[in-house]
Amino acid sequence: GAVVSQHPSRVICKSGTSVKIECRSLDFQATTMFWYRQFPKQSLMLMATSNEGSKATYEQGVEKDKFLINHASLTLSTLTVTSAHPEDSSFYICSARSGRGADEQYFGPGTRLTVT
Amino acid sequence: LAKTTQPISMDSYEGQEVNITCSHNNIATNDYITWYQQFPSQGPRFIIQGYKTKVTNEVASLFIPADRKSSTLSLPRVSLSDTAVYYCLVGDRVTDKLIFGTGTRLQVFP
Repeated sequence: GAVVSQHPSRVICKSGTSVKIECRSLDFQATTMFWYRQFPKQSLMLMATSNEGSKATYEQGVEKDKFLINHASLTLSTLTVTSAHPEDSSFYICSARSGRGADEQYFGPGTRLTVT
Repeated sequence: LAKTTQPISMDSYEGQEVNITCSHNNIATNDYITWYQQFPSQGPRFIIQGYKTKVTNEVASLFIPADRKSSTLSLPRVSLSDTAVYYCLVGDRVTDKLIFGTGTRLQVFP
């Protein structure tokens, strides 16, 4: 299957700082990328959908000014957590889709964010 | 978006067949059913997808009755490495968003 990478795999930052997480589709062009957040022992929660060259669509309850998403190319989407707080500590996972159908949606390995 | 319901957890022993059933009573005509596997601190991994009847691949089978209101993921002869959380999702062909439910935490014992 296709490969999606995330960088960094884990990051620790201080409260009030911003952190950028990259999601890359390595061997295919991703017209759409999704960002999820997962707290311990919980399911994945969809945060936003980003389409290349357009603004991201955020799910209800997700602050778009806090979680900045940029999908500038067909292989890269970034999620920036601005002014991070300890409650933002979570596992952030991206997925990328090249076409219609769930079997064409591939997930990255995730990024563990810890805000101290 | 169709909501899915599946058991929170299941236990099994190595070598047994495991069947995890998912209910999706409000599935729409164009929706498809997909199962993902997730290990701790990893992203979900695609297992199998189907629309109706039976689908089989090298790792699992997916059984979908005619009314499509439920589906069953069948894992033959599980091993310890199959201990994971299994998510049943119903695809939204309008938005293509995948909404994850609670998942089923499968524990395989030796």
